[in-house]
Amino acid sequence: QKEVEQNSGPLSVPEGAIASLNCTYSDRGSQSFFWYRQYSGKSPELIMSIYSNGDKEDGRFTAQLNKASQYVSLLIRDSQPSDSATYLCAVNRGSGTYKYIFGTGTRLKVLA
Amino acid sequence: DAGVIQSPRHEVTEMGQEVTLRCKPISGHNSLFWYRQTMMRGLELLIYFNNNVPIDDSGMPEDRFSAKMPNASFSTLKIQPSEPRDSAVYFCASSLRRGQASGRALGTQYFGPGTRLTVL
Repeated sequence: QKEVEQNSGPLSVPEGAIASLNCTYSDRGSQSFFWYRQYSGKSPELIMSIYSNGDKEDGRFTAQLNKASQYVSLLIRDSQPSDSATYLCAVNRGSGTYKYIFGTGTRLKVLA
Repeated sequence: DAGVIQSPRHEVTEMGQEVTLRCKPISGHNSLFWYRQTMMRGLELLIYFNNNVPIDDSGMPEDRFSAKMPNASFSTLKIQPSEPRDSAVYFCASSLRRGQASGRALGTQYFGPGTRLTVL
């Protein structure tokens, strides 16, 4: 079992729809969770971080964390073609380590 | 403030040659990370430094890889000798370690533009 798992996609959604991206992790002691967006040929850039169970909203983005079920998700409302990218989930175990474990990413396509 | 700077942006070399990748972290950041990204394996952490000291190099694939951080503003990743399977994009990232009082031991990682390495 991979430590951080994501569906590779591609996930195709029409413009204006809600895109839902999911990530599961295996280490129950994980404490910090991050969503990065990576455009083709570019470097990852942070979209959201979440540390507590529940929802965290930032503009069109909402991160959801459920530690009991060991999953974290990212919702993108009113999806735009410019949101088309690969979304990487990253998990940090905490406890003094600074390592992120990245998933392999979900490729999102927003169709105009 | 400038972001993380990496050089070169592209490197093409022949098998057996030495390759040196360079990274300048964001000023004031005290943690630095080297990653490798391939289609097959995704983004893998190779090594990270905290206050210029290597903390975890368990991701370094083999002895052909070495990394140094002689000061807070510069790090290198060296591959000697290089092999075709080393072809990948290598990213450097930096972060500012937050205080323990905040309850967050890890700050946001900011990535450089990457170096695309091709070993023929």
